[in-house]
Amino acid sequence: NAGVTQTPKFRVLKTGQSMTLLCAQDMNHEYMYWYRQDPGMGLRLIHYSVGEGTTAKGEVPDGYNVSRLKKQNFLLGLESAAPSQTSVYFCASLGLPGRTQYFGPGTRLLVL
Amino acid sequence: DAKTTQPPSMDCAEGRAANLPCNHSTISGNEYVYWYRQIHSQGPQYIIHGLKNNETNEMASLIITEDRKSSTLILPHATLRDTAVYYCIVRGTTDKLIFGTGTRLQVFP
Repeated sequence: NAGVTQTPKFRVLKTGQSMTLLCAQDMNHEYMYWYRQDPGMGLRLIHYSVGEGTTAKGEVPDGYNVSRLKKQNFLLGLESAAPSQTSVYFCASLGLPGRTQYFGPGTRLLVL
Repeated sequence: DAKTTQPPSMDCAEGRAANLPCNHSTISGNEYVYWYRQIHSQGPQYIIHGLKNNETNEMASLIITEDRKSSTLILPHATLRDTAVYYCIVRGTTDKLIFGTGTRLQVFP
């Protein structure tokens, strides 16, 4: 049982490049989330999913797209990276209300 | 979704109890209160959660007021490793997890 894993751990992009961040969970959780955390700030919700095939916008969705084709995976895409997207990205998954939730270790992204 | 309010920072002496307050005055009846902490730049770590009753686990205790408008996280014997940012979150019916700015707890020797 690996919990929540994120790939890659660290990435450097040039402005305009695209990339996909992968979040995987092996706990059969319905709900998955993508957050970003800028230095000295709290976590801000980008997008989330309440089940396979569903996605919804969070607080700061602009510039990102997501997909949940398989229950265990939640992908975060940057179509055209900008320096403002330099941040640490965290994925989380949780089950039914009242259950424990788990966060991944984070992906550090630097956009030059 | 209910919003939470926490003090920005607190200090606690090692070995003493750390009591971290959280105000969630707009919480509705079916919303849970969750507590997480984040050490340095690691992923947030789950601590405890509750609905109405007080809860205790190996890490902490959660005291929720009778009207559910506020709660307190208690670390009974704080250690230096408990230095972290602590987040109080109300899980709403929309299933969004919205983090506030949290409380930065500094445990000193």
